[in-house]
Amino acid sequence: GAVVSQHPSWVICKSGTSVKIECRSLDFQATTMFWYRQFPKQSLMLMATSNEGSKATYEQGVEKDKFLINHASLTLSTLTVTSAHPEDSSFYICSAVSGLSSSFLPYEQYFGPGTRLTVT
Amino acid sequence: AQKVTQAQTEISVVEKEDVTLDCVYETRDTTYYLFWYKQPPSGELVFLIRRNSFDEQNEISGRYSWNFQKSTSSFNFTITASQVVDSAVYFCALSEAEGAGTYKYIFGTGTRLKVLA
Repeated sequence: GAVVSQHPSWVICKSGTSVKIECRSLDFQATTMFWYRQFPKQSLMLMATSNEGSKATYEQGVEKDKFLINHASLTLSTLTVTSAHPEDSSFYICSAVSGLSSSFLPYEQYFGPGTRLTVT
Repeated sequence: AQKVTQAQTEISVVEKEDVTLDCVYETRDTTYYLFWYKQPPSGELVFLIRRNSFDEQNEISGRYSWNFQKSTSSFNFTITASQVVDSAVYFCALSEAEGAGTYKYIFGTGTRLKVLA
């Protein structure tokens, strides 16, 4: 159980275009989803916290208009990188947390496999 | 302030050697959770263990063992008889409540383990 998927697993796009990454919880309802980015040989950096039906909360230094997050349902959150530039190239990882009524632990994040974005 | 320190950036060992990865954390909360994850070259995080702050029992799972010491705020991870397949980056993480049932993770900077044949 507790499976999280991401799509696409990798994407190459041209500078100036927008890219959408999907994060889905496959076997549980995720009240909260998190988005991280990871540069090569670095740790995971939290970008934003996304709660279903409300606006995402962004970490300091993360541009809201650049990284649009939509948590439209209890099983889907999307991250759109708008007007992507080469410096946005990174590994993006999402995670999901189940609701308190679930059999899954409410404090534990279940991670997706990641999406590797390359902007040329 | 919450913080996770993994002082070892990179470790190289020869196959069959034992290796210990260190993790030191800082938190003001009395209730918190600690995790270890493995990140192989594919990038996907592989969950290894969780531990809550009230459970100081050490744990062994096959070749893996964990030593949780609240007195020194450490949660170290030992791999016995290392294998080449253990080569990966290992992350220690701390989770504590942010309010309204939300728990954020603070990740350490990771330790890159290279096991040489």
